[in-house]
Amino acid sequence: DAGVIQSPRHEVTEMGQEVTLRCKPISGHNSLFWYRQTMMRGLELLIYFNNNVPIDDSGMPEDRFSAKMPNASFSTLKIQPSEPRDSAVYFCASSPPGSNEQFFGPGTRLTVL
Amino acid sequence: RKEVEQDPGPFNVPEGATVAFNCTYSNSASQSFFWYRQDCRKEPKLLMSVYSSGNEDGRFTAQLNRASQYISLLIRDSKLSDSATYLCVVNPFGYKLSFGAGTTVTVRA
Repeated sequence: DAGVIQSPRHEVTEMGQEVTLRCKPISGHNSLFWYRQTMMRGLELLIYFNNNVPIDDSGMPEDRFSAKMPNASFSTLKIQPSEPRDSAVYFCASSPPGSNEQFFGPGTRLTVL
Repeated sequence: RKEVEQDPGPFNVPEGATVAFNCTYSNSASQSFFWYRQDCRKEPKLLMSVYSSGNEDGRFTAQLNRASQYISLLIRDSKLSDSATYLCVVNPFGYKLSFGAGTTVTVRA
């Protein structure tokens, strides 16, 4: 079975550029989460979608970050403009109805120069 | 106070040894508990859920102590492949998961 799919796996960009990260959750899962992981701050929840609707975006750092989920099989996280402090690994995770277990994608390693 | 606190380690043990470590959580109303494993430069993967009565999965045993608000993980007969960071994860409410910073375990030959 396919797990959570993320693309790209690695992204190197320059400060000020727009970055778009993509996620395909596991089929049948109705909850989707975007996380950011750094050595200093660990895993931080950025935003949570349920049935394609954003429920909790309190973790989104600032207006430069936005996320969408146009349908049950696709979500994007966009950073515009990007800054060096955005460098981190961004994970997408999904969970099935009625469960708190979350299944993570392989992550996107973002470096902003 | 952090929601979930773990001893970062590292725990450096020989193959075949038993290693155990705990984490504590601050929210007494927490609903569910998990251990995730994260290998270097990889995603967290669910290792096991933790039930009130304690549970085993092969060489891994998890315990929950609600009164003292801590969770433990014990690994018996350690293998080289057990080397990883183990994340204690608590569900304080609804959908939210609170992740500990992780305990690093290194199993040496």
